[in-house]
Amino acid sequence: DTAVSQTPKYLVTQMGNDKSIKCEQNLGHDTMYWYKQDSKKFLKIMFSYNNKELIINETVPNRFSPKSPDKAHLNLHINSLELGDSAVYFCASSQGTSGSYNEQFFGPGTRLTVL
Amino acid sequence: GNSVTQMEGPVTLSEEAFLTINCTYTATGYPSLFWYVQYPGEGLQLLLKATKADDKGSNKGFEATYRKETTSFHLEKGSVQVSDSAVYFCALSDTGRRALTFGSGTRLQVQP
Repeated sequence: DTAVSQTPKYLVTQMGNDKSIKCEQNLGHDTMYWYKQDSKKFLKIMFSYNNKELIINETVPNRFSPKSPDKAHLNLHINSLELGDSAVYFCASSQGTSGSYNEQFFGPGTRLTVL
Repeated sequence: GNSVTQMEGPVTLSEEAFLTINCTYTATGYPSLFWYVQYPGEGLQLLLKATKADDKGSNKGFEATYRKETTSFHLEKGSVQVSDSAVYFCALSDTGRRALTFGSGTRLQVQP
């Protein structure tokens, strides 16, 4: 039973295309996240949703649009893909609405390659 | 803003050597601190955590102590194995913002 799953695992596409990455968690958590890991392994938060409501929206191009149909799913749609979007995208989830304790569970990642 | 600084890698050790990976942080309030590990080709796994000053997190022989006075959370292991080869990330989460702030990661290579 995979706790946080992402599809696809690999995504190779041409510049200018539009693509989506899907994420699902079966942990019953109320908060989900998207992180981007660049080629140097640096991880940075992109978005966070709590109970389908956007709560964190970092400085990310508006070509990136997250969508959360319910609290178990958080999808990431990317328009007009650029070379610099090539990275590994990680979905994560956590439970809790207060305090600093925030153990996050990560999906396996989606490696996006833009040609 | 929050930040996490880790020692540069790669760190190359022989099996059974002692490991230290330094981590220091800057944050407002009283953050929780974490070490995550990423094995080749995989996602991140939580290795250990500490939620308040002087807490010691431990798991699989790894330990880290939350030192508020030095704003540090150094990762240690007494005897590394080849299977410990991975990238290790120090991270924090503060009271006001639930997203994790990560360090740049430290690659550990353990040779037989």
